[in-house]
Amino acid sequence: DAGITQSPRHKVTETGTPVTLRCHQTENHRYMYWYRQDPGHGLRLIHYSYGVKDTDKGEVSDGYSVSRSKTEDFLLTLESATSSQTSVYFCAISEAPYLNIQYFGAGTRLSVL
Amino acid sequence: AQKITQTQPGMFVQEKEAVTLDCTYDTSDQSYGLFWYKQPSSGEMIFLIYQGSYDEQNATEGRYSLNFQKARKSANLVISASQLGDSAMYFCAIRGNQGGKLIFGQGTELSVKP
Repeated sequence: DAGITQSPRHKVTETGTPVTLRCHQTENHRYMYWYRQDPGHGLRLIHYSYGVKDTDKGEVSDGYSVSRSKTEDFLLTLESATSSQTSVYFCAISEAPYLNIQYFGAGTRLSVL
Repeated sequence: AQKITQTQPGMFVQEKEAVTLDCTYDTSDQSYGLFWYKQPSSGEMIFLIYQGSYDEQNATEGRYSLNFQKARKSANLVISASQLGDSAMYFCAIRGNQGGKLIFGQGTELSVKP
């Protein structure tokens, strides 16, 4: 199994509070991704990173920011959580974008009340 | 823009029988990749099988095979000899051209009956 750890695994928070989710990998893969999964939408890309301090937006990036100060860690921050951000968040890693498989972490279930 | 369509929200199959999960895709890229992932009730996303657009042979991984019909833009997953543990959601995905992101279909829920 790919060494990907997401923390926390579950979180309940209140509207308007900041929240940070962490993805940690031990594979030394260059590419890391954050997706969210909602009923009826499958998984959708929020942000991705192609190296330390190199990030770009995905299709549902509004209200989210990311940071990657080390190869192994990719942080997703909800600057001011809203109920629409209640979702399951998955981190994925890939050695290279176009040739390799994306492997997923176990997911973080976030509830914003 | 790329798109994945999975038209079967739910399917049932008898244990030990084979089942085909449908996936059609739309892309204007000449080079692309197609993936299938399994999501059991525990929630993790498990990679099953990959097919590259230039691969001439259909991909196989154990009991999983991918029926790739390029002209029809279909990439159906075939599970042979279904087991109770195959009950799960199955997602088809295509690799997009933005940093290699994956674009997912909405999934098919497979239930294997004893």
